[in-house]
Amino acid sequence: DGGITQSPKYLFRKEGQNVTLSCEQNLNHDAMYWYRQDPGQGLRLIYYSQIVNDFQKGDIAEGYSVSREKKESFPLTVTSAQKNPTAFYLCASKARDRGSNEQYFGPGTRLTVT
Amino acid sequence: AQSVTQPDIHITVSEGASLELRCNYSYGATPYLFWYVQSPGQGLQLLLKYFSGDTLVQGIKGFEAEFKRSQSSFNLRKPSVHWSDAAEYFCAVGAETSYDKVIFGPGTSLSVIP
Repeated sequence: DGGITQSPKYLFRKEGQNVTLSCEQNLNHDAMYWYRQDPGQGLRLIYYSQIVNDFQKGDIAEGYSVSREKKESFPLTVTSAQKNPTAFYLCASKARDRGSNEQYFGPGTRLTVT
Repeated sequence: AQSVTQPDIHITVSEGASLELRCNYSYGATPYLFWYVQSPGQGLQLLLKYFSGDTLVQGIKGFEAEFKRSQSSFNLRKPSVHWSDAAEYFCAVGAETSYDKVIFGPGTSLSVIP
């Protein structure tokens, strides 16, 4: 079955440590996205990538980094510079065809930093 | 500025009652409109989408939504709510000419009373 996988589902880290969240898709989608979700704030865009080896900052990119070395993979690193990293992180992908503008979401990773 | 508002933060309905969730948008281009549903701790699932044509669109799980350009609204409806519909609902807007970013509303949390 085609879809988006995120691992792990739950992640715990100590403050000051970098942590990388995995996102893999087998939908053959060109575009991929990372969102952060906090209670009562909806989804906020961190980074997105429309093609391999290229990505753009979203609305809240500070303290995060990404890479897009393969079409299927778009890992997100939460660095120690992110002041409040505890949140629910969602990865999504989308085909680049016009008329097919919906995003497909992974199950999410809940990151807790103490 | 591009934005999506969902005026109701939380709604409670009785099982079997009808439901309407409100969504208003501000968008300069022709909008592509979406409704997503999120169960606790899960990713987002697309309920329905509007690109063009008939302004009343049907989605999964018995949901429908009506696009009203004059009111900049895209309200979600269901004639008879089931207990399993309890979840968070997000309205989102994108553009025909831009396939990189989608703007999400803050969400409406739905509770269903048995």
